[in-house]
Amino acid sequence: DTEVTQTPKHLVMGMTNKKSLKCEQHMGHRAMYWYKQKAKKPPELMFVYSYEKLSINESVPSRFSPECPNSSLLNLHLHALQPEDSALYLCASSARTGVSEQYFGPGTRLTVT
Amino acid sequence: AQSVSQHNHHVILSEAASLELGCNYSYGGTVNLFWYVQYPGQHLQLLLKYFSGDPLVKGIKGFEAEFIKSKFSFNLRKPSVQWSDTAEYFCAVNGGTDKLIFGTGTRLQVFP
Repeated sequence: DTEVTQTPKHLVMGMTNKKSLKCEQHMGHRAMYWYKQKAKKPPELMFVYSYEKLSINESVPSRFSPECPNSSLLNLHLHALQPEDSALYLCASSARTGVSEQYFGPGTRLTVT
Repeated sequence: AQSVSQHNHHVILSEAASLELGCNYSYGGTVNLFWYVQYPGQHLQLLLKYFSGDPLVKGIKGFEAEFIKSKFSFNLRKPSVQWSDTAEYFCAVNGGTDKLIFGTGTRLQVFP
């Protein structure tokens, strides 16, 4: 099973709301990633978790807060977002960082109003 | 810093035509190379990958890619495209770090 699942599929939130995106994988992977993808653009890396520890934060604003409760789950907590944060948020996982391919989930389409 | 260039931004082909999409990267060390495809409304899927060994790698759906180290290239090929190959294609490079660097993507349209 090479599946990464993400919920919700779509999310509309106001600028004062707090919401969370969820990602799950059951492949035994020990690296998980959050990406942001704008229309017709490549994915941009936001965060990397390796063995449940944050290893990379690509200077993402603090209104995005990642969390890795265990090796199968990855959350992205959202607070006080801006309209320009509207995008497709992708989760990915890999066996480990650096030398293995990443498997992507279907994404959460986020709209900030 | 690592970077990936995909010079073909938009390619239009008829079915049965041959395809070659260019990908060049800038990184002097050992690299892992990937091609991902994103069909309309679907998630990114891995087409093929290169870590080491035979520089000609075969992927799913009849795609192949050739790693030419001297040219820093990893071009994607398919001898005969189908309408169902219409999608966005991304080349990606990992230089042994935690980061996967994507190219800007090539939009392929195949007409029957």
